[in-house]
Formats: sequence, C-alpha cells, structure tokens
Amino acid sequence: DQQVKQNSPSLSVQEGRISILNCDYTNSMFDYFLWYKKYPAEGPTFLISISSIKDKNEDGRFTVFLNKSAKHLSLHIVPSQPGDSAVYFCAARDSGGSYIPTFGRGTSLIVHP
Amino acid sequence: DTGVSQDPRHKITKRGQNVTFRCDPISEHNRLYWYRQTLGQGPEFLTYFQNEAQLEKSRLLSNRFSAERPKGSFSTLEIQRTEQGDSAMYLCASSLEAAYNSPLHFGNGTRLTVT
Repeated sequence: DQQVKQNSPSLSVQEGRISILNCDYTNSMFDYFLWYKKYPAEGPTFLISISSIKDKNEDGRFTVFLNKSAKHLSLHIVPSQPGDSAVYFCAARDSGGSYIPTFGRGTSLIVHP
Repeated sequence: DTGVSQDPRHKITKRGQNVTFRCDPISEHNRLYWYRQTLGQGPEFLTYFQNEAQLEKSRLLSNRFSAERPKGSFSTLEIQRTEQGDSAMYLCASSLEAAYNSPLHFGNGTRLTVT
C-alpha cells in the first residue's frame, strides 16, 4: 500500500532543457511535501519543500508545484545540468500526526551533456 | 555543520550473527530516525526517537531489531540473528523537534550485506 507514488523509475533529459519529476499521493492527511536528491553512496539530501497551503514554491532552478485536488506534485528543474543526475525522492508527511515522512520509490534522472 | 554521521559505512556479516550500527545526529537536533532502503525502493521508516524516548516503531521492525538512544544524543541499531533479507542500506536522519518546516537530514548510511 504505497501512499506516495513515483510512477516513472527513470527520466532522461538533455542539458539545458527542463526536467519534470512527478509524484502522486493517496493520503489526504498529508500536508507537507519534500523532495530529496540522492547521489550514489550518499544519503538523501533535502532539496525543496512545499506546504499544502501553497501551490508553488521556487528555489533557484528548482520549483515544486502542488495540486491538492489531484493529489499530485511535480518538481521542475530549469535549466537541467549534468550535475543534477541523481535519484529524486518525493516524500510527504502528516503534520497532525508524527511528522514522519513517507517516501516514494524515487526517479532516476540522467541529464546528458 | 558536521552533519549526520553513521558508522560503519559497510558491514558484511554471516547469517545468524548480530550486528550493531551507530548514528551521531546533528548536535542540536533532538529527533532521530532510522530508515531502511533496499534496491529500487525509497527509504522505509523503521523507528524514531525524540530525545531518548523511542516514540514510534514501524511494523517492519521485527523483534530481532532493537534501537536505543540512551542519552538523547547518538543512537544504535542492533539486528540480532541476521537474515539475508536484512541486507539493505540503513539510513539515520535527524531533525529539530516538530518544527513544521524542518526537513530530515540524512547520514550516508550503513550498507549491510548478509551472506
């Protein structure tokens, strides 16, 4: 029973173009969403987050969009760089509960020079 | 910022042996989490501590697993009578108490291989 779903295991993008990573969730109690990036042999690193009271949050090249009615969020990376090649995890948590994030299975992004 | 530190980075053990991992969180963080990650999966929650109190355990955490955080600082995760299915990356993370926008900060993990 996956509450956070990342249905694309991998994504390949050309350098300079936009990367769009998608995430769906099923638990309507989730109200805070996070994206993490993971390089091989390292732990996940926090990238960007969004609260359910917003529909967009931007940080440099990274923007997260939230569509609560569709229970869908996406991470946009513009422009994509080869150093962005990593596995991206979407996570969600219920702030009225225990603050423990639930993670998706991840999407492997490859940015080609 | 020294980050979250985990030791060892790699552990190879034979089935049936006991293993213990250590995690040192970011010093001012009072919440500490253990997750497990297997190939093709995202991190799966195992347990978490607020200070020295273990507040929640996942049903994934069988009775062969035990975690401690004796003084509210570092934590240990012990697996007794290891099985091949225990092979995974064990990740530790820490965060500030219940701060709404406080993300988890992860260590680089301990990779366990049970032969």
